[in-house]
Amino acid sequence: EIVLTQSPGTLSLSPGERATLSCRASQSISSTYFAWYQQKPGQAPRLLIYSASSRATGIPDRFSGSGSGTDFTLTISSLEPEDFAVYYCQQYSNSAFTFGQGTKLDI
Amino acid sequence: QITLKESGPSQVKPTQTLTLTCTFSGLSLNNGRVNVGWIRQPPGMALEWLALVYWDNDKFYSPSLKNRLTITRDTSKNQVVLALTNMAPVDTGTYYCALYDHGSNFGFDIWGQGTNVTVSS
Repeated sequence: EIVLTQSPGTLSLSPGERATLSCRASQSISSTYFAWYQQKPGQAPRLLIYSASSRATGIPDRFSGSGSGTDFTLTISSLEPEDFAVYYCQQYSNSAFTFGQGTKLDI
Repeated sequence: QITLKESGPSQVKPTQTLTLTCTFSGLSLNNGRVNVGWIRQPPGMALEWLALVYWDNDKFYSPSLKNRLTITRDTSKNQVVLALTNMAPVDTGTYYCALYDHGSNFGFDIWGQGTNVTVSS
């Protein structure tokens, strides 16, 4: 099973700042099947980025994804108040999905 | 508009079987490539994928839970059902169903609101 490790566990920033979240896979994975999600308290997760770098429908362009192989990054170019949430990475390979443990983005 | 809604017991006893139902509106399991997954989240913890059933009824399970899980498509009721046997307190959490790759995006792109399940005697 592929393990996804996210860093940092918590990221404390202010509105207007740039956020960089990392996700590292225990072995090389296809970027086609790599995604990022945002989850706010009491809500279901929301798909942000799919195939490592494509924004899902309705996602603002301040969110961007990059990476390949074992290292992937989610960047939020200028934080808005509504961006403070928990972010999860997710991959699919060998007929199984795994999620990372999450990065909490704090004000 | 497509919506998903999970339903099932809010509490089960240890060793019992949990059966959850995901009901769709605005979407028919009979039309097109509808792939449905289940994901859970213990309180304060990360998401954990459980199972996925593809539009062609191909089924995949979490390796760590596959001996306890069964996912079933019921096209006549427009539902997907998840069964998890031998429940234990560690299975407490919020259970979500979600559409996978509905927007041709290889992601879980439409989610239900989740249903809370507590395992306690």
